[in-house]
Amino acid sequence: TQLLEQSPQFLSIQEGENLTVYCNSSSVFSSLQWYRQEPGEGPVLLVTVVTGGEVKKLKRLTFQFGDARKDSSLHITAAQPGDTGLYLCGGGGSNYKLTFGKGTLLTVNP
Amino acid sequence: EPEVTQTPSHQVTQMGQEVILRCVPISNHLYFYWYRQILGQKVEFLVSFYNNEISEKSEIFDDQFSVERPDGSNFTLKIRSTKLEDSAMYFCASSPIPGYTFGSGTRLTVV
Repeated sequence: TQLLEQSPQFLSIQEGENLTVYCNSSSVFSSLQWYRQEPGEGPVLLVTVVTGGEVKKLKRLTFQFGDARKDSSLHITAAQPGDTGLYLCGGGGSNYKLTFGKGTLLTVNP
Repeated sequence: EPEVTQTPSHQVTQMGQEVILRCVPISNHLYFYWYRQILGQKVEFLVSFYNNEISEKSEIFDDQFSVERPDGSNFTLKIRSTKLEDSAMYFCASSPIPGYTFGSGTRLTVV
């Protein structure tokens, strides 16, 4: 069974701070996807990374896929209250099935 | 922007009753999925569907569950005899390639 561990589970920071959240596994994934989920809503795709060592930037968000395709990180620069939400990583497997971590609940305080 | 639409948004049912959760995936997507999220827990894979058949299912997806794509646009999840532990948010998703679009979910409450 493939498992994804996300850390930290909870993160509360002030507006303007930088942060990094992590997604780790002992398994290799064909792709790694990051989602953000608001309460009562479905996850919204932020990025997909497929190549080991790949780095993608989305405005203030930087995503990295580990060289061995077992881990990933999400770095947010100058966090804003609008970044508040549950950040999920999902590892891609057969038939594009995703295995999700439990998520990091980020709160950015004004 | 294309969306995955799920109905109803909230369903309350009595234990033992059958429920059908409905989804309209994005029209040119080829892969369809159902996931569920029990309150406070991780999003869990239930089933994937491709080329009008189940391509993979999890151990959660037992004989009480079934999926159909009855008319080429709708994608349904049926739970034949609901149990209390089936209470969860159920998400439909579709994708052409890695990178899903999820619907907003159906909150199923079994009482």
